[in-house]
This record gives sequence, structure tokens and C-alpha cells, in this order.
Amino acid sequence: GAVVSQHPSWVICKSGTSVKIECRSLDFQATTMFWYRQFPKQSLMLMATSNEGSKATYEQGVEKDKFLINHASLTLSTLTVTSAHPEDSSFYICSARGPGNGYTFGSGTRLTVV
Amino acid sequence: KQEVTQIPAALSVPEGENLVLNCSFTDSAIYNLQWFRQDPGKGLTSLLLIQSSQREQTSGRLNASLDKSSGRSTLYIAASQPGDSATYLCARMKDMRFGAGTRLTVKP
Repeated sequence: GAVVSQHPSWVICKSGTSVKIECRSLDFQATTMFWYRQFPKQSLMLMATSNEGSKATYEQGVEKDKFLINHASLTLSTLTVTSAHPEDSSFYICSARGPGNGYTFGSGTRLTVV
Repeated sequence: KQEVTQIPAALSVPEGENLVLNCSFTDSAIYNLQWFRQDPGKGLTSLLLIQSSQREQTSGRLNASLDKSSGRSTLYIAASQPGDSATYLCARMKDMRFGAGTRLTVKP
């Protein structure tokens, strides 16, 4: 089946630094990937749609200069949280549309900014 | 405005019970609808995908139905087990909108 690998699974960083999260489709090509964030006991909120070879499409209220998305190949999208602050601490999850029209999710990244 | 709503928010049942989780959406012109399971601190595991042309999908003890006219989907879990304890999320694939989830606890 379709597998999406997300790395790292958790990261702790100092306030003001940047953190990069990778999302890879392992056995299929993904022209489109999606990035979500999830606060404790809340549902997933779509942040942006990552398009291979073009600019990402951000949801309303998501700062594109803070959450940089790069989708340089058909199997890799990266999310960089720039100048991270404690309020950016959250669970970030990526997904990709796999074969058969279903969506496959990565295992998520727990970001803690101290 | 909550576009995808899940009821109940939490559910606790004894092992062996059959149960139904509900998902409703405001825009009936959906494409596909997908049900997921999320364990604490983990990513999402796809359970069932119902394409817009389908009315239901079954996998093992799980059955998901879709009624576009009423804007509802249900996930039926038969003979629940403690291992089914998790948060169940439905998502409208048209615009990748998720419900808030139903937190299920199955007690031994």
C-alpha cells in the first residue's frame, strides 16, 4: 500500500530557530501533498497544499513566510517553521493522495519550542 | 462555522458492543469521504474511503455508509474490542476538512 514517511517524529528547538520537517511518499509519486497542524484534543487543520514544482497554496490565516513549503520532487515535500516561537508548538502531519483516490498520512512530527 | 461535524465527541462502551459514529457535512456536493483512526500522539490510519458514487464500504468489522442527500456518513463498528479505542476522524476530501473526531473507549 501507499506509504508516507515523515521525519523527524519529534523535535525540540529553541525559540527563534528554524525547524525543517520532511514528508516523503515512499512507493508512489505525489504531485500534491498537504500539511496539517493539530493542537491537543483538537482535529486537524489544513495549513497548506504543497504542489510539486510550484508555489504552495496556503489556507486563510496561515503565514506563508513563517511556514515555508518546498515541494521540489514528486516524492518529497518539506515544511520549515521559521523563527519558531512557543506558540508554534504543535503536532504537524503531512498527507498525500495515493493510488486509488485515498489519502495516506505520515506519522506526524511533535514540535516543541522552548 | 463547523463544516464537518462528528457526534458524539466521546463514547465509552463495554467490549462486544456494536456502535455507530456519526459524521455530517454542510456541503452535500462532496467528492469522497474518508474515515481515519488516530491513536494518541500518532498519525492517521486510513480505515475506509467512500467515493462519491458509492453508498457504503466494508472492511472487517467496520462498515461506513454515505448519504449525500442528507450530508451524513456513519461508521459502524461491530463487536467492539479494547484495541478499537482511539479517536475516529472523518474527512471531506473535497477540501480536506476534518471533523473534530470521536474519542472512543472500549472497556474490557
